[in-house]
Amino acid sequence: EPEVTQTPSHQVTQMGQEVILRCVPISNHLYFYWYRQILGQKVEFLVSFYNNEISEKSEIFDDQFSVERPDGSNFTLKIRSTKLEDSAMYFCASSEILGMHSNQPQHFGDGTRLSIL
Amino acid sequence: AQTVTQSQPEMSVQEAETVTLSCTYDTSESDYYLFWYKQPPSRQMILVIRQEAYKQQNATENRFSVNFQKAAKSFSLKISDSQLGDAAMYFCAYRSALKGNEKLTFGTGTRLTIIP
Repeated sequence: EPEVTQTPSHQVTQMGQEVILRCVPISNHLYFYWYRQILGQKVEFLVSFYNNEISEKSEIFDDQFSVERPDGSNFTLKIRSTKLEDSAMYFCASSEILGMHSNQPQHFGDGTRLSIL
Repeated sequence: AQTVTQSQPEMSVQEAETVTLSCTYDTSESDYYLFWYKQPPSRQMILVIRQEAYKQQNATENRFSVNFQKAAKSFSLKISDSQLGDAAMYFCAYRSALKGNEKLTFGTGTRLTIIP
């Protein structure tokens, strides 16, 4: 069964450094997402991406965050100047089609654990 | 804004028994989707079951079924014949049916322990 893959599985970065988290969504999917889960807390939506542009973003997704689909397969999340509070598990997800009466679920990757020192 | 509440941070059940995990949500929308995701220690989020709000019939997937009460805004998950592999965090999630609003809103999760 096709899977969403994320790399790396664990990233350790010094505070203030830039980090790029990578995701390869399922090949025929059109919608892409990033979520994060701070240790012991619930999963929170960051951003959704469709047709090469952001379709929705949360309050968490401020100017230090950006997303990109640099080629036909990768979907990246960049955090420009990391802070201690950015330490979390970051999940990428993708889905096939959405909209009215489409119950297509989002398929999640294994996540990248980001540790900011 | 929609909210999802899971009032049981932890639950445990004897192997082979049945357990029900609670979820309530708040929304002003009439059309939406509800999901249960499972997150085992391996950490990947795995879809367990989904429900369309416009369907009255409760969804069922093998040992997993839901009790969807739209008026009460309740969406509980029943796991029958619990197995050791069911041990995980279970998240209830809401998604609007409105185009451009496809994000999932998650509850805080319920940690399910299976007692051998």
